[in-house]
Order: sequence, then C-alpha cells, then structure tokens
Amino acid sequence: DTGVSQDPRHKITKRGQNVTFRCDPISEHNRLYWYRQTLGQGPEFLTYFQNEAQLEKSRLLSDRFSAERPKGSFSTLEIQRTEQGDSAMYLCASSLGGHRNTEAFFGQGTRLTVV
Amino acid sequence: KNEVEQSPQNLTAQEGEFITINCSYSVGISALHWLQQHPGGGIVSLFMLSSGKKKHGRLIATINIQEKHSSLHITASHPRDSAVYICAVDGRDDKIIFGKGTRLHILP
Repeated sequence: DTGVSQDPRHKITKRGQNVTFRCDPISEHNRLYWYRQTLGQGPEFLTYFQNEAQLEKSRLLSDRFSAERPKGSFSTLEIQRTEQGDSAMYLCASSLGGHRNTEAFFGQGTRLTVV
Repeated sequence: KNEVEQSPQNLTAQEGEFITINCSYSVGISALHWLQQHPGGGIVSLFMLSSGKKKHGRLIATINIQEKHSSLHITASHPRDSAVYICAVDGRDDKIIFGKGTRLHILP
C-alpha cells in the first residue's frame, strides 16, 4: 500500500492520559499536514512539516500538543494530559511540495475518544 | 462566517437522481478541492481545480473564480455515492481551508 497510513485507527483513553499517533506519508512527499475534525465539522488545520521542519502551528495546538517528524519521513502527534474536548478525528495528509496546485493525499485518520 | 460555505448541509435523494452540491468561498485561492469522506473517516480527493470544469466518470466539478463558487455534480446517483462531500480551498498561506461538508444519502 503506497498511500498515507495512520496508526492507530481508533484510540480510547482516560482523561489525563497521554496519547501518541503516527502518520506515514507517501514516501516521496516532503510535506506532511495534521488536521483535526470534530463531529459535524470540516477538518481544521493543526500543523505542517516540510521535510523535518515544522513550519507552522495553529492556535488550536495548545502546549499539550506536540508534533514531530524527526527524519522527514513519518510523523507523530502527541497529546499530553488528554481532555474530553480532545475527542476528535485526527487526519494526516501529505503532498509533494505545497498545496498550491499539488494534490494532497489523506490518511484514514485516527479517531480519539477521551472518556 | 466561515471562509468556505457549503450547501446543502444534508441531502437525501433517490437512486438515479442528479445531485448538485454547492461551495462558496470568501478568500483568495490558488485551487479548490472536492473531497469524499466515508463513515470510517478516510478522505479521498475527487478533484482539484483552479478554473473551468473537470469530469471523472459520473462526477463533474465546476468552478467560477470570479464568483468564488464551485459545484460538484453527480449524475445517475447510486447508493454507494452516499458519503460526506467536502469542499476545501488552498488559501494564500499554503493551508487548506475546509468546508463543513455535505452529507449525501442516496436511497435505493
């Protein structure tokens, strides 16, 4: 499978616990994006990487959230001290270059439920 | 007001009907995407367009840059077309801005 893959697909955690999600982009793609989608809403931008450099972070990304892409390949998104409001679908996308006139490919998402 | 607005929010139709989903945006863009999201959550890119019209099978997407409006049409709709269709635009700052989606349900 050469698409974008995310792991795990589903995660249920107790409030206050830390969780980490992984995204493996399409291998030659240098851009990697994280989005969050809550029920009934469209996805919202969280952060993106060009290779290993994190270029931008949304205000949605509080200090409990951290994302890394250490070798410019896969990326991890960690949420510390989870809160019920963190329950959402976390989507990863990758593209070759910027979004402008370059198609982005999305993963299946990781659905987080904080209980 | 959202920068990307879609209508309708929900649409139920009979199999075979011609479907139109509309998208209006208020920001400058370099391209517009139509995406399909199935209940499992995965998103598939249907179209990326910056002008005119594109066709892929039973799907047609059009965009009018001057009016800042795009439409997605589905001809001869089928129950397997049931999904959430999301309009998204490439903003000037290289991020995608998403609409809230249109939930389409095609009845057999």
